[in-house]
Amino acid sequence: NAGVTQTPKFQVLKTGQSMTLQCAQDMNHNSMYWYRQDPGMGLRLIYYSASEGTTDKGEVPNGYNVSRLNKREFSLRLESAAPSQTSVYFCASSEIGAAYNEQFFGPGTRLTVL
Amino acid sequence: AQTVTQSQPEMSVQEAETVTLSCTYDTSESDYYLFWYKQPPSRQMILVIRQEAYKQQNATENRFSVNFQKAAKSFSLKISDSQLGDAAMYFCAYRSFNNAGNMLTFGGGTRLMVKP
Repeated sequence: NAGVTQTPKFQVLKTGQSMTLQCAQDMNHNSMYWYRQDPGMGLRLIYYSASEGTTDKGEVPNGYNVSRLNKREFSLRLESAAPSQTSVYFCASSEIGAAYNEQFFGPGTRLTVL
Repeated sequence: AQTVTQSQPEMSVQEAETVTLSCTYDTSESDYYLFWYKQPPSRQMILVIRQEAYKQQNATENRFSVNFQKAAKSFSLKISDSQLGDAAMYFCAYRSFNNAGNMLTFGGGTRLMVKP
């Protein structure tokens, strides 16, 4: 099992460019999440998908869109990147109803917007 | 909304000694879960330990244990016999028991340095 995988690992964008961060999990989890981590801060939730076919905003959704493509995949799109979106992005998944509903995290994507 | 506060941006400990990382949270709920995650330089988030609020007994995982004080809304992490590999960022996180989306709220983190 690969767990949660994210692509790419690193990305540099210019202001105004768009890109999509990909996330996939092979644990058959229902719920998936996108977080961002800024220097000196904890992770903040951008969007989540409680189950296939649903998505909801988290704490910091502005400037982002998401797509729950199927049960395995959950992508995050930046339509017009801004320097304030320079951050490390983490995808996570969990199984609702399991003990503790533990979230499993991917390795992160370091995004720099110039 | 719940908030999680880690008041120690950095801590250091001598190898083989014990260190305690602090975490406080604010909630009006009675049932919830608390977690400590470790983030080494690789950036991978690793679950260290977890605690259900309705359990009075403090959770323990090998060298890691917690001191859960529900009335004080405090959830500290104790690392015994510290090892060089314990050096990392540590994040405290909160999850509501009735959270349909299973969302986590994180504290700002504590950077732990281990001196040989």
